[in-house]
Amino acid sequence: GDSVTQMEGPVTLSEEAFLTINCTYTATGYPSLFWYVQYPGEGLQLLLKATKADDKGSNKGFEATYRKETTSFHLEKGSVQVSDSAVYFCALSDEEGDYKLSFGAGTTVTVRA
Amino acid sequence: DVKVTQSSRYLVKRTGEKVFLECVQDMDHENMFWYRQDPGLGLRLIYFSYDVKMKEKGDIPEGYSVSREKKERFSLILESASTNQTSMYLCASSEGQGTRRTQYFGPGTRLTVL
Repeated sequence: GDSVTQMEGPVTLSEEAFLTINCTYTATGYPSLFWYVQYPGEGLQLLLKATKADDKGSNKGFEATYRKETTSFHLEKGSVQVSDSAVYFCALSDEEGDYKLSFGAGTTVTVRA
Repeated sequence: DVKVTQSSRYLVKRTGEKVFLECVQDMDHENMFWYRQDPGLGLRLIYFSYDVKMKEKGDIPEGYSVSREKKERFSLILESASTNQTSMYLCASSEGQGTRRTQYFGPGTRLTVL
């Protein structure tokens, strides 16, 4: 079945550091890929998504590129801020559209001033 | 903005009690979902609904049931709560068909079963 593996945390960084969170997936066909973010005390919100190979999703300074050859969708940000402290989830949906999102375990990121 | 609200942020119940978790969305979305979130496991789908009175089992439906009598409201029911159902429960909604549509999440209900 479909699955997502993402980098284990927690990750602690200083402000203005470079952030990468690795995400790889297993799926049949051509899934859509997502990054969701959960700020403390809140529900998840979509950060960015990509629906086909080589697409790049971007939002709030974060980027991720859908790499079919390496089955990856790594999240990157060049200069993090304290306000980026959150839990980040990689997720996929398969092309059959059975409404299901498969989530990774989540990576907790803490940015220190 | 899409708004998904959940009836409680925190809930404490005793083993064997019947528990209702309510979710309401205000954007006329067809699809609604219930997940549970546990550390190290990410989110796991319990049930979803793609229309009023329709429901489909997710990955972990055992011990849960759902009800969708109105389009905007999706309820999760724990018929007889057990301690292993202590978790964070998240509701989500999306429009149209298929999961390429963005899912919008509520703030979650942290349930503790004693």
